[in-house]
Amino acid sequence: QVQLVQSGPEVKKPGSSMKVSCKASGGTLRSHAISWVRQAPGQGLEWMGGVISLFGTANYAQKFQDRVTITTDESTSTAYMELSSLRSEDTAIYYCARPRAPSDYYGLGSPPPGYHYYGMDVWGQGTTVTVSS
Amino acid sequence: DIVMTQSPLSLPVTPGEPASISCRSSQSLLYSNGYNYLDWYLHKPGQSPQLLIYLGSIRASGVPDRFSGSGSGTDFTLKISRVEAEDVGFYYCMQARQTPPTFGQGTRLEIK
Repeated sequence: QVQLVQSGPEVKKPGSSMKVSCKASGGTLRSHAISWVRQAPGQGLEWMGGVISLFGTANYAQKFQDRVTITTDESTSTAYMELSSLRSEDTAIYYCARPRAPSDYYGLGSPPPGYHYYGMDVWGQGTTVTVSS
Repeated sequence: DIVMTQSPLSLPVTPGEPASISCRSSQSLLYSNGYNYLDWYLHKPGQSPQLLIYLGSIRASGVPDRFSGSGSGTDFTLKISRVEAEDVGFYYCMQARQTPPTFGQGTRLEIK
């Protein structure tokens, strides 16, 4: 059973960048997509973006499009989420998550656009990032 | 983006009683393959979110059978047949019919 282990908590200054890692143990990243989801204090869950290693593609929520980069290093089975131009509103717990369905789609025709990100059944433990001057 | 709207936002329940949460989407989540791309997650305080239901009605592995999901198109419901103390937390629906996936606002279930 794959587990996702994230990097530790961080404190960042406004305007700086952060890079959180998510290492898959007991499996590889190539077979499944990885999503990044965050929860700011008092707020709900928010999908930031995801990466599909099998196809070498990434998708981002428009809100973060200009500031986020999600990558994977298959040699170390590690995914990374980098967020730049940090502001206080980026203070949050950041989670990586893996969907239950493999990236290969075996149904008839093409899968829906969100196919690679449904049914996230493996989650990292979360990384707390505090942005403060 | 598809907008997900949950109700109620707060749900106090007596242990042993049933509970129901509604989730509506601004666009149909039904795809041509016959599946509704709608998940339900439970986020307990201090823990990572956990998947309860995927594709609208399929219970994830290890999820008690008191949890059930139903609905199609734009209207979905999560039902708990008999609420237990361990069910407290925030429940979220999430659509994956389109990118980006989007979550509902969350429903806080608390024990009376």
